[in-house]
Amino acid sequence: EAGVAQSPRYKIIEKRQSVAFWCNPISGHATLYWYQQILGQGPKLLIQFQNNGVVDDSQLPKDRFSAERLKGVDSTLKIQPAKLEDSAVYLCASSADQGGARWFGEKLFFGSGTQLSVL
Amino acid sequence: GDSVTQMEGPVTLSEEAFLTINCTYTATGYPSLFWYVQYPGEGLQLLLKATKADDKGSNKGFEATYRKETTSFHLEKGSVQVSDSAVYFCALSYYGGATNKLIFGTGTLLAVQP
Repeated sequence: EAGVAQSPRYKIIEKRQSVAFWCNPISGHATLYWYQQILGQGPKLLIQFQNNGVVDDSQLPKDRFSAERLKGVDSTLKIQPAKLEDSAVYLCASSADQGGARWFGEKLFFGSGTQLSVL
Repeated sequence: GDSVTQMEGPVTLSEEAFLTINCTYTATGYPSLFWYVQYPGEGLQLLLKATKADDKGSNKGFEATYRKETTSFHLEKGSVQVSDSAVYFCALSYYGGATNKLIFGTGTLLAVQP
């Protein structure tokens, strides 16, 4: 079974530039997540999609971050304009469903991430 | 709000040494607890889980027991190998409104030397 695919693997940009990350979840997975992992911190959820729709974007800085998931499959996360504090690893994860609370966390599959450096 | 605190690293051990990585949590409800591992260049992987008090999760020689009285979920392994070198994340999940939430600790880097 193919895993969660992300690209690019690394990206270096200057502040105020724009950048986009791409994620292809595991085939058939309805739920897709974007996490931000700043060096020395644990991953923090930015946005969660269920099929095409946004379920939770409460921690997404909407003035500069945007995300979409067209046709309920691939997703793109964009930052425009980037700031120095956006330097982090951006992780995409997917899961097959969202059942009861107890299962959560054990059916989540993560990609390798995109490491962003903003200079 | 709910949170997870884990010991800072790096933790450096010799092969076959005993490992403990401490993790404590704060939660208002009854979360599930997890340990994830991130090997160099790879994505996060679930290592083990426990869904209720006194449950013991285990996998690949690692163990952790859900201790409600001490709000802890410490990770242990009796004899580490070089291949165990990775970053370990403690995490909890709870149902927050309409969605499930997964909160991670800051991660602990483990380096095992031959």
